Amino acid sequence: GQNIDQPTEMTATEGAIVQINCTYQTSGFNGLFWYQQHAGEAPTFLSYNVLDGLEEKGRFSSFLSRSKGYSYLLLKELQMKDSASYLCAVRKGSTLGRLYFGRGTQLTVWP
Amino acid sequence: EAGVVQSPRYKIIEKKQPVAFWCNPISGHNTLYWYRQNLGQGPELLIRYENEEAVDDSQLPKDRFSAERLKGVDSTLKIQPAELGDSAVYLCASSSRRSGLVADTQYFGPGTRLTVL
Repeated sequence: GQNIDQPTEMTATEGAIVQINCTYQTSGFNGLFWYQQHAGEAPTFLSYNVLDGLEEKGRFSSFLSRSKGYSYLLLKELQMKDSASYLCAVRKGSTLGRLYFGRGTQLTVWP
Repeated sequence: EAGVVQSPRYKIIEKKQPVAFWCNPISGHNTLYWYRQNLGQGPELLIRYENEEAVDDSQLPKDRFSAERLKGVDSTLKIQPAELGDSAVYLCASSSRRSGLVADTQYFGPGTRLTVL
């Protein structure tokens, strides 16, 4: 494995902000992806970072520090529909290389 | 644009029986991936195809698993014989250098949930 670590569970309330952290150890790093997966459904692409810094896309932002092997996904203005598993995945080697996934963080948003 | 299509969505079989899963990738996507996702875990790659060629099958248990992508489009994944530990969700994904705004993003199908009794 690639030692991808993320918290198992998190909870938050509607309208709040939540940060989901992901740490990794790998050689041949070629990008970090965040996917959202609702129960019984396919993972859907949220964000991608290959260079250090913050990528913002609406209510979702993702940050990467390659030197620290660290990323986070920031979700703002939480909604009930954001309750899902959030998967951190590291791509190794070529841009068509395999993704190595973490176990996922199950986020529950309460009213 | 239609997404990745997989069938069946659910399959229940008894151990030692064979089973097959089918995947139709997004049109124009040359790269196809099969992943297995166990409960509470992230997906793990089984095999990756570039057109018809399997270029990464190091994690495929070749004693019982096989896959093919004969015309470089649809793909099938087969297990024969199935074991209790094969119960999982089998996900298919595809990507293309021209997919979206992000180079080579993998787009996933809904998966086949396999239960081996």
